Amino acid sequence: GAVVSQHPSRVICKSGTSVKIECRSLDFQATTMFWYRQFPKKSLMLMATSNEGSKATYEQGVEKDKFLINHASLTLSTLTVTSAHPEDSSFYICSAAEHDQETQYFGPGTRLLVL
Amino acid sequence: AQKITQTQPGMFVQEKEAVTLDCTYDTSDPSYGLFWYKQPSSGEMIFLIYQGSYDQQNATEGRYSLNFQKARKSANLVISASQLGDSAMYFCAMREPPFMDTGRRALTFGSGTRLQVQP
Repeated sequence: GAVVSQHPSRVICKSGTSVKIECRSLDFQATTMFWYRQFPKKSLMLMATSNEGSKATYEQGVEKDKFLINHASLTLSTLTVTSAHPEDSSFYICSAAEHDQETQYFGPGTRLLVL
Repeated sequence: AQKITQTQPGMFVQEKEAVTLDCTYDTSDPSYGLFWYKQPSSGEMIFLIYQGSYDQQNATEGRYSLNFQKARKSANLVISASQLGDSAMYFCAMREPPFMDTGRRALTFGSGTRLQVQP
């Protein structure tokens, strides 16, 4: 299947700092990527839809100024957690699908710990 | 309203036996897609199997098969000949409505089932 990479896999940061997470489609172009968040022992919850060349679409309750999404190319979307707080500690995972294909492939995820 | 329901928080199965993980869904759209993903402790989401709402036959992928009962709105995952490496969380997910017409849509996930395969 298609390959999606995510970097970093794990990050620890101090409260108040910003963290950038990259999501790349390695062998296909993705006009749309999705960012999910998963708390321990919970399911994945959609945060936002990242659209190449336009603004991201955020789910209700997700602060767009806190979770900045940039989809500058057909293979890269970035999620920046601004002024991170301990409650932002979570597992962040992105997904993408090839054009006209149903199956969405996920990146390996990023574990964020804010101290 | 919850769109994907997985009623089994945890399941046990003996190695080499088959196991069925339940999933029911709710949608009013005739066109949708159903997925199963496996999430081991490492956290990655591994795609297992896909069933389109218009597919006439149940999907199969190796040891995985999807028991699709459209009238009951259920899409149970059957794992045959369980292996120790099958121990993981399993998530059922749905994509709606038609992605070709309205643009790509994200997946809605169920709460997951933790499967433990015992030797």
